[in-house]
Amino acid sequence: EDQVTQSPEALRLQEGESSSLNCSYTVSGLRGLFWYRQDPGKGPEFLFTLYSAGEEKEKERLKATLTKKESFLHITAPKPEDSATYLCAVMRLAGTALIFGKGTTLSVSS
Amino acid sequence: DADVTQTPRNRITKTGKRIMLECSQTKGHDRMYWYRQDPGLGLRLIYYSFDVKDINKGEISDGYSVSRQAQAKFSLSLESAIPNQTALYFCATSEGQGLFKPQHFGDGTRLSIL
Repeated sequence: EDQVTQSPEALRLQEGESSSLNCSYTVSGLRGLFWYRQDPGKGPEFLFTLYSAGEEKEKERLKATLTKKESFLHITAPKPEDSATYLCAVMRLAGTALIFGKGTTLSVSS
Repeated sequence: DADVTQTPRNRITKTGKRIMLECSQTKGHDRMYWYRQDPGLGLRLIYYSFDVKDINKGEISDGYSVSRQAQAKFSLSLESAIPNQTALYFCATSEGQGLFKPQHFGDGTRLSIL
């Protein structure tokens, strides 16, 4: 069964304390992996797309990487405004829709 | 103005009522989707449409129906609402050409069924 698992469920960091979020997946052929950020009361906001193992994408303090079994979202020197729920989703080669993980809720305190 | 607009933003209704949630987009995308989000379950696909004449069931379509009135409009209906349909509902859109493109979401409709 196709599955996306995110860990940890929740993460608390101090401002400036770097860390990583994990997204492991089992799908029958990966067509793409997507990272989203979701703030309370808002819809998911697109961050990155990764299409093949070894690919990396960066945006400000965030860097996403992809292997054949998992993806990491690295957060360098986070700020309180990075607090949000981060969602990972995958698209199968034969599929037509995204399979979402349950998300990691990040809290960054100053 | 938002690219993907959902109405209403909040709705409280009673069991057995018919409800329609509406979604309109100004992004010019061909593909549109309806998801529901429940605590601890993540986002799950209800229906999707790749163009005006194309409607497909998603993972959890029972109890729901949709209508694609135009390229820019996609509505979700609950014919006879039940309490376990209480959830946060999201509409999303994506381009249809080339490498699979990311989906862009509206800000959701919070639906409560008493």
